Amino acid sequence: KAGVTQTPRYLIKTRGQQVTLSCSPISGHRSVSWYQQTPGQGLQFLFEYFSETQRNKGNFPGRFSGRQFSNSRSEMNVSTLELGDSALYLCASSLKAGGTAGELFFGEGSRLTVL
Amino acid sequence: GQQVMQIPQYQHVQEGEDFTTYCNSSTTLSNIQWYKQRPGGHPVFLIQLVKSGEVKKQKRLTFQFGEAKKNSSLHITATQTTDVGTYFCAGRRGGSNYKLTFGKGTLLTVNP
Repeated sequence: KAGVTQTPRYLIKTRGQQVTLSCSPISGHRSVSWYQQTPGQGLQFLFEYFSETQRNKGNFPGRFSGRQFSNSRSEMNVSTLELGDSALYLCASSLKAGGTAGELFFGEGSRLTVL
Repeated sequence: GQQVMQIPQYQHVQEGEDFTTYCNSSTTLSNIQWYKQRPGGHPVFLIQLVKSGEVKKQKRLTFQFGEAKKNSSLHITATQTTDVGTYFCAGRRGGSNYKLTFGKGTLLTVNP
């Protein structure tokens, strides 16, 4: 079955713009998590959604937001982009949420460059 | 907040040598997971450890979870060039704050 699909794979934006990234989880998976990956900070947790509800949130400013739709697809939005937002944004899906979530299945990521 | 520290940050070995990466959490964990990310790729799940003192093996890879459930290690015996990549540990606390916190990873390079 198809894996986690993220779009777009690559994008270039300028400071002050906003961006929306999309994630389609594995069929049947209802939990979607988002991570920001940078060379210096590793994988930083952004948020987790389950059944259209945000279940957990990382320590990122309010410019970072997300949502999940009834078909479990998820989007994340970053407004007023800053140079430091340049990163690989990874989406991961799992069958369950919370402490029993088990393994995460990651997508290929969306690489954002902010100029 | 919860911190997961991983050492070393980098490790370069000759093919055939062993490799170990260590993971330490500032808090007791409910479980710990290990992922591998090949260069240019995305993290891929390797294993999850749940029980105190648990040891699991996958061919040349041996995973351990400490007795206090605050540390873990991954040991690779006789490395091969296919082992190249970054190895991440990720710890999950119990209770309501169950987000998965990743270590910064250990980049393993193997000289053939």
